[in-house]
Amino acid sequence: EVQLVESGGGLVKPGGSLRLSCAASGFTFSTYSLNWVRQAPGKGPEWVAYISSGSTYTYYADSVKGRFTISRDDAKDSLYLQMNNLRVEDTAIYYCARDVNGDCYTCAFDLWGPGTMVTVSS
Amino acid sequence: EIVLTQSPATLSLSPGERATLSCRASQSVRTYLAWYQQKPGQAPRLLTYDASNRATGIPARFSGSGSGTDFTLTISSLEPEDFALYYCHQRSSWPPITFGQGTRLEIK
Repeated sequence: EVQLVESGGGLVKPGGSLRLSCAASGFTFSTYSLNWVRQAPGKGPEWVAYISSGSTYTYYADSVKGRFTISRDDAKDSLYLQMNNLRVEDTAIYYCARDVNGDCYTCAFDLWGPGTMVTVSS
Repeated sequence: EIVLTQSPATLSLSPGERATLSCRASQSVRTYLAWYQQKPGQAPRLLTYDASNRATGIPARFSGSGSGTDFTLTISSLEPEDFALYYCHQRSSWPPITFGQGTRLEIK
């Protein structure tokens, strides 16, 4: 089955760190560019970060630049998001999402995981 | 940053009716505009991309159109399962990739 499954969410205090993982199956992971997208309670989706195939390019939303790092391990068919110096406003469901046409700069997200909840609170 | 403005915020219709949802961009996004459907407790689901291409497995009653700054998602005849939140999304000029604020399609 073609799927993405996130893990690693939880409750963390402001200033803390978390590492999210996204396990892929059912498709050739290495040939796709991937993204993290988050959604705060009751809000719309917000793009967080992008990584190209081969990890050649990474891009970040301004709100997380310098605090979050996206990476991938093609040998393990896995995507990661290292989140440092977390803030209350980072509280959200975090989704990994695949680009629709492989390694793509202008693509929509055709495959999403179910998400993992991150709560930042003291 | 390209801002996407969706209208209306809420659309109240009955099953069998035609739904027309709008998304306007603050500057041209060419045809790099997608539409998603989201139901409570679920991830967004891709409906259309590149303005008018239907995603795999999406019923023919969903169609996207437009280019530049004005886009429309049309649902030709509403089924009960179509009542949900809908978001548009652009990937023309980024970062950042941006989403609209959403349109809630509710049963009248």
